[in-house]
Amino acid sequence: RKEVEQDPGPFNVPEGATVAFNCTYSNSASQSFFWYRQDCRKEPKLLMSVYSSGNEDGRFTAQLNRASQYISLLIRDSKLSDSATYLCAVPSGGYNKLIFGAGTRLAVHP
Amino acid sequence: GAVVSQHPSRVICKSGTSVKIECRSLDFQATTMFWYRQFPKQSLMLMATSNEGSKATYEQGVEKDKFLINHASLTLSTLTVTSAHPEDSSFYICSARQRDRGGETQYFGPGTRLLVL
Repeated sequence: RKEVEQDPGPFNVPEGATVAFNCTYSNSASQSFFWYRQDCRKEPKLLMSVYSSGNEDGRFTAQLNRASQYISLLIRDSKLSDSATYLCAVPSGGYNKLIFGAGTRLAVHP
Repeated sequence: GAVVSQHPSRVICKSGTSVKIECRSLDFQATTMFWYRQFPKQSLMLMATSNEGSKATYEQGVEKDKFLINHASLTLSTLTVTSAHPEDSSFYICSARQRDRGGETQYFGPGTRLLVL
């Protein structure tokens, strides 16, 4: 089993829709989790950090389910500018190196 | 958020040459930096963990003699791709770890696109 797994998508949604992505992780001892956004041919940019049960920032909500070992990212009222690849990352090892999922592509259309 | 820079942003070189990529944390000190590689339509793959003042830790399958890492100061890590070949063409991204109130966060540089002819 991979350390971090994501549904690659793509998710094609209309503007204004609500969309949710899931990310499962294998290390039950993980304490922190991250969602990054990556635009085409650009570096990942931190979207949200999750240290407890969840986090909310405007239209974005991240939730952690420790029992089932997954984190989710919910995007409400999708905008065209939300089109990107969303990467889930979980620290691993002594240096807390980040292990990334394969990413989920989101395409928001008019 | 914190700022991490990378130089050069893109490089084209001939097969057999060596290429050095610099990663700098501009407004914070980073004892640990990470080097990733990303092939088209794939996710980021960690290559190595760079530690200031000590040897880098390489991930399984990454040749340490081919990808030389030097972390000489708290704000600079360099990755040198030695004797580059076309299969080394990729997007190389570094990140620097910052400790803050919430814990630790990694901030990424803008990446270096390497094309080996």
